[in-house]
Amino acid sequence: AQTVTQSQPEMSVQEAETVTLSCTYDTSESDYYLFWYKQPPSRQMILVIRQEAYKQQNATENRFSVNFQKAAKSFSLKISDSQLGDAAMYFCAYRRGYGGATNKLIFGTGTLLAVQP
Amino acid sequence: GAVVSQHPSWVICKSGTSVKIECRSLDFQATTMFWYRQFPKQSLMLMATSNEGSKATYEQGVEKDKFLINHASLTLSTLTVTSAHPEDSSFYICSARDGSVLAGGGYEQYFGPGTRLTVT
Repeated sequence: AQTVTQSQPEMSVQEAETVTLSCTYDTSESDYYLFWYKQPPSRQMILVIRQEAYKQQNATENRFSVNFQKAAKSFSLKISDSQLGDAAMYFCAYRRGYGGATNKLIFGTGTLLAVQP
Repeated sequence: GAVVSQHPSWVICKSGTSVKIECRSLDFQATTMFWYRQFPKQSLMLMATSNEGSKATYEQGVEKDKFLINHASLTLSTLTVTSAHPEDSSFYICSARDGSVLAGGGYEQYFGPGTRLTVT
């Protein structure tokens, strides 16, 4: 069974600084997607970034980028120039890439990020 | 982007009563919807997956007779918590898959804003 592990329950960063959130996963499949979701205090889940396993290039979305190490099964999220609005719970998630519409998202336990002014 | 709504956003009900939560995809047709449960400061736990016009598939340990899911149309799924008890108090989130296909064969999944259920 696939598992997703986030070993940092809480992290803190100064405004304008850079922070990296860690995520490792375990799977025997070769075709899959990895995601980072943000859940602010409103609790609305927001997709931050998505990585297709078949792509070697790391995904980037503005200030957010990932370091995808497929062999090591590692998928970290880097937030540059941190802003107060980045404070939230961040979830790493895995989903199988093939096999139909009902493939499930498997979430990690989350990392609570605080941004200090 | 695609929008998923949930109604109500919060509800308080008495123990022993039933409560229905609606999940709607507002600007796309959702062939598959997912229902999650989230306790404070914890991750999302998938309860069930529903496909339009067919029975929901429940995750292991989720009581299908207690958490009734109906996906009656391509834009609406409902979760009914029957005979609610205080331990059912939680945050319930729905998510919907649209019909488009991403590069690599995957799909987009959009989340609703959640419903906070309190059973007294």
